[in-house]
Amino acid sequence: GAVVSQHPSRVICKSGTSVKIECRSLDFQATTMFWYRQFPKQSLMLMATSNEGSKATYEQGVEKDKFLINHASLTLSTLTVTSAHPEDSSFYICSAGTLPGYTFGSGTRLTVV
Amino acid sequence: DAKTTQPPSMDCAEGRAANLPCNHSTISGNEYVYWYRQIHSQGPQYIIHGLKNNETNEMASLIITEDRKSSTLILPHATLRDTAVYYCIVIEAAGNKLTFGGGTRVLVKP
Repeated sequence: GAVVSQHPSRVICKSGTSVKIECRSLDFQATTMFWYRQFPKQSLMLMATSNEGSKATYEQGVEKDKFLINHASLTLSTLTVTSAHPEDSSFYICSAGTLPGYTFGSGTRLTVV
Repeated sequence: DAKTTQPPSMDCAEGRAANLPCNHSTISGNEYVYWYRQIHSQGPQYIIHGLKNNETNEMASLIITEDRKSSTLILPHATLRDTAVYYCIVIEAAGNKLTFGGGTRVLVKP
């Protein structure tokens, strides 16, 4: 079946630095990918829709200048958390629309210290 | 906002069937019912989906009421590895964004 690879699985960074998370579709092309954030014991919250070759669409309340999304190819979307702060510590998950259902990456646990 | 309502948690015995309810009373005619599950610290996993007919695959069965206002996901023989949060999601078509509600936290006990 379809596989979405997400890297890194875990990252610790210092406050004020930037972190890049990669999401790759391994055996299919994805013109659209989705980025979610999940805080402990909470549900997934959609952050943005990543569109290949065009600007991402952000959900209300998500700062597009802080969470930079690039979808430069049909198999790679990246999320960069800029000037990270401890409150950005969370579980970030990407997904791509596949049949019969969406395929999700394994997630990236970001800890900002 | 999520268009579905699920009980926050439920327990079930290993080897028994687990029946997970979902209410989606405002579902429209072209919206599908999708089920995903998320095992702790992993990305969600697709389980099954349906429009109006009951569906079955190797993981589960999906029973949708005739009026389509509710559905039940059935795990026929629950195992300890089925412990997860199960999400019922209503969506118009594949490719549209998924909105997750609170889900049901299922604990399978020996």
